[in-house]
Amino acid sequence: EAGVAQSPRYKIIEKRQSVAFWCNPISGHATLYWYQQILGQGPKLLIQFQNNGVVDDSQLPKDRFSAERLKGVDSTLKIQPAKLEDSAVYLCASSKDRAENTGELFFGEGSRLTVL
Amino acid sequence: KNQVEQSPQSLIILEGKNCTLQCNYTVSPFSNLRWYKQDTGRGPVSLTIMTFSENTKSNGRYTATLDADTKQSSLHITASQLSDSASYICVVTFSGGYNKLIFGAGTRLAVHP
Repeated sequence: EAGVAQSPRYKIIEKRQSVAFWCNPISGHATLYWYQQILGQGPKLLIQFQNNGVVDDSQLPKDRFSAERLKGVDSTLKIQPAKLEDSAVYLCASSKDRAENTGELFFGEGSRLTVL
Repeated sequence: KNQVEQSPQSLIILEGKNCTLQCNYTVSPFSNLRWYKQDTGRGPVSLTIMTFSENTKSNGRYTATLDADTKQSSLHITASQLSDSASYICVVTFSGGYNKLIFGAGTRLAVHP
């Protein structure tokens, strides 16, 4: 079974530029999550999708971050314009059902963003 | 406030030794607790998941314990190997009306030869 795929693995941009990350969850997984992990900290939920609907985006900085999951499969996370404090690893995860309901949560390798 | 605190922040042990990582939480109510292993530059991988009624669960050389009364969990690693060098993250599911995963900051373990 293929895992959660993310790209790019690494991205370096200057502040005020834009960046987009892509995630392809495990086939058949209805729930998709985007997490931000700053060095030395645990992952912080940015947005959670159930199929193509948003379940929780309460911690997404909506003035600069946006995410979509068209057709309930792939997802993209965009940052525009980027700030220095956005430097982090962006993790995508998926689960067959909602992971918070004891569903197993599978993470991708992450996309490491450096903002200069 | 629902929080998950892990200790120590970092730990260095020699190969072959045992170690125990701690997770204290104030999440209430909670439905389950998970431990993840995160290798450097990789995504977290699940080690164990315990419901509130379980006391212990093993996965090879990893054994997790849970005391729901004191809101404490531990992850014991037996006969450590160099490949155990990683961050270990404790995650508690808040189940008050809606379910939400609450992550700890992790313990960074280094196993030296």
